[in-house]
Amino acid sequence: GESVGLHLPTLSVQEGDNSIINCAYSNSASDYFIWYKQESGKGPQFIIDIRSNMDKRQGQRVTVLLNKTVKHLSLQIAATQPGDSAVYFCAEAPHTGNQFYFGTGTSLTVIP
Amino acid sequence: GAGVSQSPRYKVAKRGQDVALRCDPISGHVSLFWYQQALGQGPEFLTYFQNEAQLDKSGLPSDRFFAERPEGSVSTLKIQRTQQEDSAVYLCASSLLGDRFGNIQYFGAGTRLSVL
Repeated sequence: GESVGLHLPTLSVQEGDNSIINCAYSNSASDYFIWYKQESGKGPQFIIDIRSNMDKRQGQRVTVLLNKTVKHLSLQIAATQPGDSAVYFCAEAPHTGNQFYFGTGTSLTVIP
Repeated sequence: GAGVSQSPRYKVAKRGQDVALRCDPISGHVSLFWYQQALGQGPEFLTYFQNEAQLDKSGLPSDRFFAERPEGSVSTLKIQRTQQEDSAVYLCASSLLGDRFGNIQYFGAGTRLSVL
């Protein structure tokens, strides 16, 4: 499969601080990227996506940045809350087919 | 139902046993995906359906794995002669359309399979 990896396996932040989760991908042919949040015992939940023709996309309290030059993706969470504690996965989709390749995940812990 | 439903939630199988895992997607969703998630890892793609057609099964790890979606709604993932390495959480996801851009995949809670 493709190589989609994360720089930090765990991340702890204080409640109210901003969080940044990073992801590196290897396939230059990927043109669509998605961030998912997975809580214990649940399936992944869509957070935000971005196409390769964009560098930045914002949602509610979340921003995804895409740097195609270095094949790097990041998820920024503003004013992190205890409910944000979960494992976060980035996923990439090559322009051919419908496969989505997930990274290993980063465990985010929010300290009250 | 409101979301993707998978059953059973937990399955314990003896090595060599056959298992069948069920997925009820969100009503009307065209696309259905199966993933395998090992402990501490991200989901790995197994197979993809568009309606009843299995368009991609390149992620199925061996010919012991078989998936079907005969009427374009409910799907079953079958694993024959289970092995210990098959132990994982099997996730099902569905999405409304066949196009992947902006086509959010909604995941079920998964079936945790333990092969003894």
